[in-house]
Amino acid sequence: AQSVSQHNHHVILSEAASLELGCNYSYGGTVNLFWYVQYPGQHLQLLLKYFSGDPLVKGIKGFEAEFIKSKFSFNLRKPSVQWSDTAEYFCAVNGVNTGFQKLVFGTGTRLLVSP
Amino acid sequence: DAGITQSPRHKVTETGTPVTLRCHQTENHRYMYWYRQDPGHGLRLIHYSYGVKDTDKGEVSDGYSVSRSKTEDFLLTLESATSSQTSVYFCATDVGGNTGELFFGEGSRLTVL
Repeated sequence: AQSVSQHNHHVILSEAASLELGCNYSYGGTVNLFWYVQYPGQHLQLLLKYFSGDPLVKGIKGFEAEFIKSKFSFNLRKPSVQWSDTAEYFCAVNGVNTGFQKLVFGTGTRLLVSP
Repeated sequence: DAGITQSPRHKVTETGTPVTLRCHQTENHRYMYWYRQDPGHGLRLIHYSYGVKDTDKGEVSDGYSVSRSKTEDFLLTLESATSSQTSVYFCATDVGGNTGELFFGEGSRLTVL
């Protein structure tokens, strides 16, 4: 079975600081990888996704993530955060295999950016 | 965008009463999901559907049932609500067709007293 670990549960940064949120997964096969974001009081939205190809993926609002297969990692980065990036961030993994695969979420990282 | 409407958006009920949450989509997506979101647990899958009348259990299905009689509607029923089912419930569709790329509804906040 798949599992996802997000090591940082709460992160506090000042505006313009750089961000890196860790995500590791366990699954022996091919995976689709995602970062979802939930702004305060809202539903989850897709931030970026990786299916195949270039392991460095760029998403919306200046976010990017790098898939490192050997480390089973898909860390999220942003060079300079803004107050509006305050949100909860979820890493998710979907194992690609025959049959139906279910998306598995990490427990989330709550980011607070102070102005 | 895959349009999803959840109803009700907020509900307060008492222990032991039945509750049905509705999810309606307008994009004809095959795969639909019900998740619950709780602090410290992230999102956990309750039930999912891969077509009309085709449903299966997720990781936290005890106490919940679902039905999908039409492509556009996916109902989640709590037969006898308990306080442990107080949560925010999200419906989602897979816009890529079982790829994991989900579009979520606005959520339904349920409080069981």
